[in-house]
Amino acid sequence: ETAVFQTPNYHVTQVGNEVSFNCKQTLGHDTMYWYKQDSKKLLKIMFSYNNKQLIVNETVPRRFSPQSSDKAHLNLRIKSVEPEDSAVYLCASSRTGGALQNTLYFGAGTRLSVL
Amino acid sequence: QEKVQQSPESLIVPEGAMSSLNCTFSNSASQSIWWYQQHPGKGPEALISIFSNGNKKEGRLTVYLNRASLHVSLHIRDSQPSDSAVYLCAVRGSALGRLHFGAGTQLIVIP
Repeated sequence: ETAVFQTPNYHVTQVGNEVSFNCKQTLGHDTMYWYKQDSKKLLKIMFSYNNKQLIVNETVPRRFSPQSSDKAHLNLRIKSVEPEDSAVYLCASSRTGGALQNTLYFGAGTRLSVL
Repeated sequence: QEKVQQSPESLIVPEGAMSSLNCTFSNSASQSIWWYQQHPGKGPEALISIFSNGNKKEGRLTVYLNRASLHVSLHIRDSQPSDSAVYLCAVRGSALGRLHFGAGTQLIVIP
């Protein structure tokens, strides 16, 4: 049962354009994430965010920025897309805290193609 | 940073066979290991996790963890065509730490 919703499913754009992806979770979780999945299926974390703290992976280019209106929503904006930004962007959520059982719940992803 | 390596890259088995997937990680103090299943066009979905040395069984799935050898394996008994997917190994370095993912194993089960 899907509880992390992402839109759009696909987006095709040209180099230099600005794009924005949306994510909403209905699980009541406190922490949300954006991951980038490349063509070889490797998942790399980009951001983790709860209502207290934004943690940025230092390798993420500055043209990427997360935007949150409340703990159920975390959007991703890319200011000026580059060809290497073509990938699947996955949103996830989890409970915050030290429990080892805390796992990630993923959305279906947004596939970005930069021409 | 935790390094997670998975093997093989792809695995083809006939229906009804045992599928065995491997994962190695870099830190013996890693707190937990998760296996995720990802079907085409979908996000990864958590299948099974293990926190202590030894094995854990859930239905057709068995996970073995050996911290000394930094190795964890996933075995799927009586593999079905619906098990065809990418399997991702993920390791959490600390209770509050982020999950580090391997590049996955593509499993194909032939009817």
